[in-house]
Amino acid sequence: NAGVTQTPKFRVLKTGQSMTLLCAQDMNHEYMYWYRQDPGMGLRLIHYSVGEGTTAKGEVPDGYNVSRLKKQNFLLGLESAAPSQTSVYFCASSLRDRGGDTQYFGPGTRLTVL
Amino acid sequence: EDQVTQSPEALRLQEGESSSLNCSYTVSGLRGLFWYRQDPGKGPEFLFTLYSAGEEKEKERLKATLTKKESFLHITAPKPEDSATYLCAVQAERNFNKFYFGSGTKLNVKP
Repeated sequence: NAGVTQTPKFRVLKTGQSMTLLCAQDMNHEYMYWYRQDPGMGLRLIHYSVGEGTTAKGEVPDGYNVSRLKKQNFLLGLESAAPSQTSVYFCASSLRDRGGDTQYFGPGTRLTVL
Repeated sequence: EDQVTQSPEALRLQEGESSSLNCSYTVSGLRGLFWYRQDPGKGPEFLFTLYSAGEEKEKERLKATLTKKESFLHITAPKPEDSATYLCAVQAERNFNKFYFGSGTKLNVKP
């Protein structure tokens, strides 16, 4: 099992450029999430998905779009990148459990917007 | 407002010097509290899930405990390889799909 994988690992964009980050999981999890991590601020939820074909906004959704066409994949898009989107992006997946839902994270994508 | 606060922000220990990390939370109805370890340049790695006050879980030199307002991660006789940032997160009953993370405690264990 590869768990949760993310591509690319690093990317540098110029302001106004677009890109898509890919997240894939092989654990058959229903739920998938995109977070950004900035120094001193903790992980913040951008968008999430409760199943194939469904997406919803998290805490900081502005400037991002997502799609979940296949259960194992969750894509995060930046249509017009801004320097404020420089961050490390993490994808996670989880099952719905009897108690809390344990999330499993990918290795991250480090994005710099110039 | 749901909130998670971790303290201290940074902690330096000598090898073998036991200590505790704190995670205090305010959430209306706790579904679960999670501890993660994060190494530089890596994604968070799951350690523990705690569901209810009084619960305790252990793994090697780590022990997590939970009360109604806070959780502690106790580190007994730490080794340099325990150096990492430890993250705490909570999931609320009223919205299963949102998780609130603290900003972490960066632990440095010197040999």
